[in-house]
Amino acid sequence: DQQVKQNSPSLSVQEGRISILNCDYTNSMFDYFLWYKKYPAEGPTFLISISSIKDKNEDGRFTVFLNKSAKHLSLHIVPSQPGDSAVYFCAASKKGGGADGLTFGKGTHLIIQP
Amino acid sequence: KAGVTQTPRYLIKTRGQQVTLSCSPISGHRSVSWYQQTPGQGLQFLFEYFSETQRNKGNFPGRFSGRQFSNSRSEMNVSTLELGDSALYLCASSSTSGMGEQFFGPGTRLTVL
Repeated sequence: DQQVKQNSPSLSVQEGRISILNCDYTNSMFDYFLWYKKYPAEGPTFLISISSIKDKNEDGRFTVFLNKSAKHLSLHIVPSQPGDSAVYFCAASKKGGGADGLTFGKGTHLIIQP
Repeated sequence: KAGVTQTPRYLIKTRGQQVTLSCSPISGHRSVSWYQQTPGQGLQFLFEYFSETQRNKGNFPGRFSGRQFSNSRSEMNVSTLELGDSALYLCASSSTSGMGEQFFGPGTRLTVL
């Protein structure tokens, strides 16, 4: 049973436009959410996170939105740049960590078109 | 600060053998987590060590084990390798146990023939 779902395996966006990556979760015990970016042959790199007490967190070109009632979060990248082309993973953790560590979605491959 | 390092980067083994992977966390980080990444299952949590104690464990068979040393370096061992163990094994470190930002190493690509 997948508790964190990224329903779009890939997304293609034109350079300069907004990229929106979506993530849904099913476990209401999750209360901390993170986005990671991964290039081939490298480990995931932490991008941005959000606690369940917030509905928005911004860091430069990256903004994460959390809708707790819908159990949905999204990552906005504005403007999109060629270096943003990578696989993006959504991850979630439960209060206190719990037995599961971070639970990851299967990733969305973002392709920025010049 | 140096990042998380993992050795070896690539490994080829045959079924039935055992393997040990090593991870050195970011200096000052006491928590080390291990993940398995496969194309079909994505990133799955194996276990976490904090101050030499296993704190959390994912849903993997007992063939997968680990340990952490007093300098926070960690090793992961897989015994009686199966073909399905072929994967990228990622190590992540953080300053606290459990939730929070984790910093990943480049991974060890294990191929079981």
